[in-house]
Amino acid sequence: AQRVTQPEKLLSVFKGAPVELKCNYSYSGSPELFWYVQYSRQRLQLLLRHISRESIKGFTADLNKGETSFHLKKPFAQEEDSAMYYCALSDFGNTGKLIFGQGTTLQVKP
Amino acid sequence: SQTIHQWPATLVQPVGSPLSLECTVEGTSNPNLYWYRQAAGRGLQLLFYSVGIGQISSEVPQNLSASRPQDRQFILSSKKLLLSDSGFYLCAWSVRAGTQYFGPGTRLLVL
Repeated sequence: AQRVTQPEKLLSVFKGAPVELKCNYSYSGSPELFWYVQYSRQRLQLLLRHISRESIKGFTADLNKGETSFHLKKPFAQEEDSAMYYCALSDFGNTGKLIFGQGTTLQVKP
Repeated sequence: SQTIHQWPATLVQPVGSPLSLECTVEGTSNPNLYWYRQAAGRGLQLLFYSVGIGQISSEVPQNLSASRPQDRQFILSSKKLLLSDSGFYLCAWSVRAGTQYFGPGTRLLVL
């Protein structure tokens, strides 16, 4: 079955510390992986997708097919990174439907 | 530019009452449309999606239904609400299987 697992409900770090938000997936084919973010009082929005291979706001994520993981990383956390982060997967079909993980709240302390 | 609207923003309804949540998209044609629910501690769950007018796919069996009467309108309904229907409902759109853009959401509390 298709599944996305984010094992940490809450991740709390100090400003300037490295951040790694974990995401593991279960999928029988070749999925497309995403990270979505929701800042306080804002809409859920795309942060990055693995096929773009971009770095957005200093965040990167590498798809590891062997470990079926797509962890989100940032070398130096900023207070404005505090938000809810969701990992999601989609097949490459026409529907575009997403399967989301449970979400991880990132709290960056000053 | 494209925008997506949802209303109402919040809703408190008694058990057994009907429900109608509306989502509309502006600035694009023939979008894929999606309804998600976020229940406490359970992440985002896809409820329905639509790739065209009158085409609705249901992802999970439940007390809810969806309709797409117009190209850019997506409605989530129920004939009789249950306590378990409480949650935060999000509508989203995409161009085919591209990036999804989310609305502001509707918070539903069933008492």
